[in-house]
Amino acid sequence: GQNIDQPTEMTATEGAIVQINCTYQTSGFNGLFWYQQHAGEAPTFLSYNVLDGLEEKGRFSSFLSRSKGYSYLLLKELQMKDSASYLCAVRDSNYQLIWGAGTKLIIKP
Amino acid sequence: GAVVSQHPSWVICKSGTSVKIECRSLDFQATTMFWYRQFPKQSLMLMATSNEGSKATYEQGVEKDKFLINHASLTLSTLTVTSAHPEDSSFYICSADGGRDHVGGELFFGEGSRLTVL
Repeated sequence: GQNIDQPTEMTATEGAIVQINCTYQTSGFNGLFWYQQHAGEAPTFLSYNVLDGLEEKGRFSSFLSRSKGYSYLLLKELQMKDSASYLCAVRDSNYQLIWGAGTKLIIKP
Repeated sequence: GAVVSQHPSWVICKSGTSVKIECRSLDFQATTMFWYRQFPKQSLMLMATSNEGSKATYEQGVEKDKFLINHASLTLSTLTVTSAHPEDSSFYICSADGGRDHVGGELFFGEGSRLTVL
């Protein structure tokens, strides 16, 4: 079956750096997405990786290794507003998005 | 960026009644729209995939006669929860596929609709 794993919850300190990992096993691969979701709101797009390597976008970076079925989202200079759930999703061979359960990130002052 | 509008944001209804939720893509044509349900502290669960002009494809375990989906145009899809019961209370989210014209073919999400069935 298809499976995406990411930690359930992480805690970090304001101003620090945190890395959220995501491993996947899917039937085919057509890209990996990271979304941010604040409680009670719809997800918002953060990043997209389809080739191996690191994509940097401001304080957020996303890394992909297709051979390892692995990605991470790196958040730098953490702010209190970064407290949210971070969802990893993979497009499979049918172009369908398979969602991870999400990682709840708690930022402490 | 692309915008998807979902309405209503909140709805409270009595058990046994039906509720319709609309999802519109405002500045692009979405041949495919997705409907998700999310219970508290759980991940998004895909309910069905809706293609314009054809019948929706439902995920296993989702009752097609209870959750009616209509995708009549390239910019509008509706989800009707028929004979709603308290266990149907959830956060319903739609998304529209931006297709390959948008970077990464990302999904654009509506604001979500919180349904409470009394």
